[in-house]
Amino acid sequence: DAGVIQSPRHEVTEMGQEVTLRCKPISGHDYLFWYRQTMMRGLELLIYFNNNVPIDDSGMPEDRFSAKMPNASFSTLKIQPSEPRDSAVYFCASSLGRTDQEQFFGPGTRLTVL
Amino acid sequence: LAKTTQPISMDSYEGQEVNITCSHNNIATNDYITWYQQFPSQGPRFIIQGYKTKVTNEVASLFIPADRKSSTLSLPRVSLSDTAVYYCLVGDFYTGRRALTFGSGTRLQVQP
Repeated sequence: DAGVIQSPRHEVTEMGQEVTLRCKPISGHDYLFWYRQTMMRGLELLIYFNNNVPIDDSGMPEDRFSAKMPNASFSTLKIQPSEPRDSAVYFCASSLGRTDQEQFFGPGTRLTVL
Repeated sequence: LAKTTQPISMDSYEGQEVNITCSHNNIATNDYITWYQQFPSQGPRFIIQGYKTKVTNEVASLFIPADRKSSTLSLPRVSLSDTAVYYCLVGDFYTGRRALTFGSGTRLQVQP
């Protein structure tokens, strides 16, 4: 398996633009997680899905952020409109069976909002 | 919520054994203890998980005392490539968010 795949790897955009980050989990995994990492706040959980259903989105910072998982092999994290403070590395991870089971992380998307 | 406390940073030399301790005084009966490793510009990578006593795999050992209020990750004979940030997580399936709180981690620097 290729592991968790994220795209794009790098994204530079201007304030106010819409940004869409994409993730393909490991085949067969039923949990998918979106994290954000910054120097100031560390690694924060934004939202996670189980069997394509959002379970906990309490980490989503505000209404500008939304996440979807239309099927078991694809998820998106959208920011609209983007702001400079959204600049961070966004990681997607997947796991099998339980939230405390080993998570496999993707390479991350480095987002810069100018 | 079970809160974890780890040293912010540690230094070591190649070939030494490194022990990183995590305090989790409020650990609950159903909680497991999980450690992750993160290299610069990469996502975290699972190292080891345990519930009590000692767990060992090909990478590390995890020591958990009887009261489970702390745990120690032991890395035998570290090399330069072990320079990374190490995170201790505590939580269980029924309170998923707690198992997914990475905290600040411990930055390990291995010197030649």
